[in-house]
Amino acid sequence: KAGVTQTPRYLIKTRGQQVTLSCSPISGHRSVSWYQQTPGQGLQFLFEYFSETQRNKGNFPGRFSGRQFSNSRSEMNVSTLELGDSALYLCASSFPTSPTVSGELFFGEGSRLTVL
Amino acid sequence: DQQVKQNSPSLSVQEGRISILNCDYTNSMFDYFLWYKKYPAEGPTFLISISSIKDKNEDGRFTVFLNKSAKHLSLHIVPSQPGDSAVYFCAARPPNTGFQKLVFGTGTRLLVSP
Repeated sequence: KAGVTQTPRYLIKTRGQQVTLSCSPISGHRSVSWYQQTPGQGLQFLFEYFSETQRNKGNFPGRFSGRQFSNSRSEMNVSTLELGDSALYLCASSFPTSPTVSGELFFGEGSRLTVL
Repeated sequence: DQQVKQNSPSLSVQEGRISILNCDYTNSMFDYFLWYKKYPAEGPTFLISISSIKDKNEDGRFTVFLNKSAKHLSLHIVPSQPGDSAVYFCAARPPNTGFQKLVFGTGTRLLVSP
């Protein structure tokens, strides 16, 4: 069973540009979330999508946006890039869960963004 | 405001000994806690979890302990193996938000030497 696939794996952008990252979840998974990992900050939740609807959103500015397609694939976009946006962006997918089931997110390898 | 804290950025132990990784949290409403392991150039992988209504959960060499009064949880690895060398993240789930929205700590790098 293929894992979560993220593209591109590495990219370099300059300040002011915009970037789109892509995530293909594990087949059958309908929930997709995005996390930003920076040194010293751990993983910070960006947003979550389920059946093409944003279900949760973290505390990030409006420059960060995302969407989910009918095949559960997801994209996130960051506009007007700033130096501080340099990070590893991780996508995770899971089956829909109930509160009584231990939560397991399956993460991709991430897209490493460097903003110069 | 860091609601989940891992105060030790690194930990070194010898093979065969016990590794204890610690995590503190501030939000008493968290209802689920999880540990993830991350190797370089890979995404985090789920290790073990515990519900807030329990105080211990065991899975093979891994045991998680939860002390709600102290708002503290710990991960014990016994015996430690060199392959356990990785960054370990503690995570907590806020109530009524689903399992995708987790609050993570900053991670502890574990090094197990032969």
